[in-house]
Amino acid sequence: AAGVIQSPRHLIKEKRETATLKCYPIPRHDTVYWYQQGPGQDPQFLISFYEKMQSDKGSIPDRFSAQQFSDYHSELNMSSLELGDSALYFCASSLGGLNQPQHFGDGTRLSIL
Amino acid sequence: QKEVEQNSGPLSVPEGAIASLNCTYSDRGSQSFFWYRQYSGKSPELIMSIYSNGDKEDGRFTAQLNKASQYVSLLIRDSQPSDSATYLCAVLFGSSNTGKLIFGQGTTLQVKP
Repeated sequence: AAGVIQSPRHLIKEKRETATLKCYPIPRHDTVYWYQQGPGQDPQFLISFYEKMQSDKGSIPDRFSAQQFSDYHSELNMSSLELGDSALYFCASSLGGLNQPQHFGDGTRLSIL
Repeated sequence: QKEVEQNSGPLSVPEGAIASLNCTYSDRGSQSFFWYRQYSGKSPELIMSIYSNGDKEDGRFTAQLNKASQYVSLLIRDSQPSDSATYLCAVLFGSSNTGKLIFGQGTTLQVKP
């Protein structure tokens, strides 16, 4: 079965640079979520989109922005990168509607030098 | 106090034994609960979802929910070394078409041959 596709798998950036992470949800899933997982920590919710509209916002820095496009893929844009942004970034997708389980992609490992 | 609490472990069980993982949550209005398995450096993998009080079984896994006590558990029967991983309890928070997952800190399970 098709899964959530994230790219790139690994990304190395320097401080103050920008990065764009991409997420392609499972076919027919209209809801996308972004999570950040630091070393030894549990995933933290950043932001979600339902039917191309922002649905919920969590602990996402103002330096980050995201959107969902007409084909339901989503991009997380990160600017003025800081050392503390080094983490695993996961995208998850689900069908719309409450209580739907979220399925995670393999993640993007972002390293800031 | 975290909204979702787990014992971080490690929980060590011999091969073939039953592993019992526990989770408590703070929001009495929560309706949807999930267990994810995460191997080191990999993405969370959904293994169980539960929405109603009682038990839900799927293969070697049984999820138990007690909303009155705000308690969720996961039992793994006939534990195998391949079950060694971090198990994340997640509670869905949200009231619209989507919801964000709030994770516990995860319980590390070690199954010894």
